[in-house]
Amino acid sequence: DAGVIQSPRHEVTEMGQEVTLRCKPISGHNSLFWYRQTMMRGLELLIYFNNNVPIDDSGMPEDRFSAKMPNASFSTLKIQPSEPRDSAVYFCASRLLLTGQNLNTEAFFGQGTRLTVV
Amino acid sequence: AQKITQTQPGMFVQEKEAVTLDCTYDTSDPSYGLFWYKQPSSGEMIFLIYQGSYDQQNATEGRYSLNFQKARKSANLVISASQLGDSAMYFCAMREGHGSSNTGKLIFGQGTTLQVKP
Repeated sequence: DAGVIQSPRHEVTEMGQEVTLRCKPISGHNSLFWYRQTMMRGLELLIYFNNNVPIDDSGMPEDRFSAKMPNASFSTLKIQPSEPRDSAVYFCASRLLLTGQNLNTEAFFGQGTRLTVV
Repeated sequence: AQKITQTQPGMFVQEKEAVTLDCTYDTSDPSYGLFWYKQPSSGEMIFLIYQGSYDQQNATEGRYSLNFQKARKSANLVISASQLGDSAMYFCAMREGHGSSNTGKLIFGQGTTLQVKP
């Protein structure tokens, strides 16, 4: 199993540019999370999907951020336009969500994308 | 409102000694799960241990154990016989659900940095 795959691993962009982060969850997982990690704010949940449907996007900072999950094997997080304060490590994680039961499976994380906006 | 609280930004422990990392949580959902993750300096997020709200016994995984005190809403991580490789940041996380629907939102505390001294 290749695990959760994120691309790119590192991204340096100029302020005002559009940035797209990509995530391929583990095959068979039906729940996907996007997190942002900074020194000041820790690990923040931005948005999560269950069965490709966005469930909670209350953590998305503002309208400049958008996320999509067109199918079970791919998700994107887009920032347009990017700003220096968006600089952070962005993690994607996936897990197998079993509804109707009190069963818990852990979330598996990708290696993260380190975004620097200059 | 923050649901997961880790009050120790940093901790030191002598090699081979045990250490406890604190975590308190807040939820009104009777069904929830608690997780601990380790993040070494390389940046990846590594799942360590899980405790379900209905579990009668404290979870253990090798040198990791979870001191679950439901009435106090605490889920402290105990690492026994610390090793130099345990030096990392540790995150407590909670999976919220809505009873049987189990929507699976996973939120994290601010983290505790542990340094193991030789």
